Amino acid sequence: AQKVTQAQTEISVVEKEDVTLDCVYETRDTTYYLFWYKQPPSGELVFLIRRNSFDEQNEISGRYSWNFQKSTSSFNFTITASQVVDSAVYFCALGSSNTGKLIFGQGTTLQVKP
Amino acid sequence: DVKVTQSSRYLVKRTGEKVFLECVQDMDHENMFWYRQDPGLGLRLIYFSYDVKMKEKGDIPEGYSVSREKKERFSLILESASTNQTSMYLCASSFPGTAQETQYFGPGTRLLVL
Repeated sequence: AQKVTQAQTEISVVEKEDVTLDCVYETRDTTYYLFWYKQPPSGELVFLIRRNSFDEQNEISGRYSWNFQKSTSSFNFTITASQVVDSAVYFCALGSSNTGKLIFGQGTTLQVKP
Repeated sequence: DVKVTQSSRYLVKRTGEKVFLECVQDMDHENMFWYRQDPGLGLRLIYFSYDVKMKEKGDIPEGYSVSREKKERFSLILESASTNQTSMYLCASSFPGTAQETQYFGPGTRLLVL
């Protein structure tokens, strides 16, 4: 069975704090894809990153960074020096190479207070 | 920029009404998807389509149907709306291929069934 777990339902931080959003996945596929999306209050899901199972290199994009570890089936997302505009719901998703479908986690609501 | 639009941001309908939710994308994507989003459950796939006039059931198709008469347009139909279909509905599109193709989302429709 394929599954994505985002154990943190809600996180609240003060601006400029660093915050890490956890994502743990389960799959038997050898080839798969991992995604992070951001959903601001406006409702639209915004694509942030895609990773394939053969690329375990960590990635940094500005204040955002992602840590992919196959050994622990995790794909965690860190925001450095958080800002109020980072307040949103963040979804981790697993893409199956077999089915072509995305499996989403439950989402983590991040609140950044000024 | 990929643009996915949905016909309504908010809808209020009565139990038993037939409801149409429309989604249009302007990037010539072959794949289109309908999800519903509920608190604590993340996004769940209702139906998807790989081509005009083609449709596949997702994980929760009961109570829904879809129509894809043109490549850019994918409609979700609630034949007889029920209160348990009150939810946020999100449409997405992507290029063909398996899950490595990133899905791009519309702004969502919040449907309230009374």
